Amino acid sequence: ETGVTQTPRHLVMGMTNKKSLKCEQHLGHNAMYWYKQSAKKPLELMFVYSLEERVENNSVPSRFSPECPNSSHLFLHLHTLQPEDSALYLCASSQDKGQGYGYTFGSGTRLTVV
Amino acid sequence: GDSVTQMEGPVTLSEEAFLTINCTYTATGYPSLFWYVQYPGEGLQLLLKATKADDKGSNKGFEATYRKETTSFHLEKGSVQVSDSAVYFCALVRPSNTGKLIFGQGTTLQVKP
Repeated sequence: ETGVTQTPRHLVMGMTNKKSLKCEQHLGHNAMYWYKQSAKKPLELMFVYSLEERVENNSVPSRFSPECPNSSHLFLHLHTLQPEDSALYLCASSQDKGQGYGYTFGSGTRLTVV
Repeated sequence: GDSVTQMEGPVTLSEEAFLTINCTYTATGYPSLFWYVQYPGEGLQLLLKATKADDKGSNKGFEATYRKETTSFHLEKGSVQVSDSAVYFCALVRPSNTGKLIFGQGTTLQVKP
């Protein structure tokens, strides 16, 4: 148990589907993050939330829509995805923004778009 | 901008061999430095960290020293095991609004019995 739980672990969806990824942490952390991990590419930071407010959006296409209803939960809503969006999506949390705090990662959701 | 560069993999070693994975960084100010490990099918786990120059982070036999003069944070282990086979990521975070963690591209380590 890493402290950050992601569901589902695996997801296969068609390009016209709508689905959501869920991330949950009960570590008392104030910041949460979505990362995309594609084969043979560096991890890409997608979104940053701090105290439920989005503080960073790294030019992510609008077909990805994050939601942070409270400091323990983070969602990534997906619609009309493309095959190149297939990747491992990692959620992470940290005590706060700023130096010196490592992130706690979930195990990820392996997404395949067909 | 800030960046992290790791040696390209894969690195293949025999059990009990000495491991070094090189990591250098570019950043303004005084970042904190981290090593993360990703075992097959899992997310990333924090392996060790160092928050200021000359600090040495250590965990599970792995060590890395924060060298500001060479902007490096090389990962070492004296005797690797098959169970150490994984992908290793070097990362930094510097004081900022978001505390964004910036990763290197990862280095795959394969240890053979």
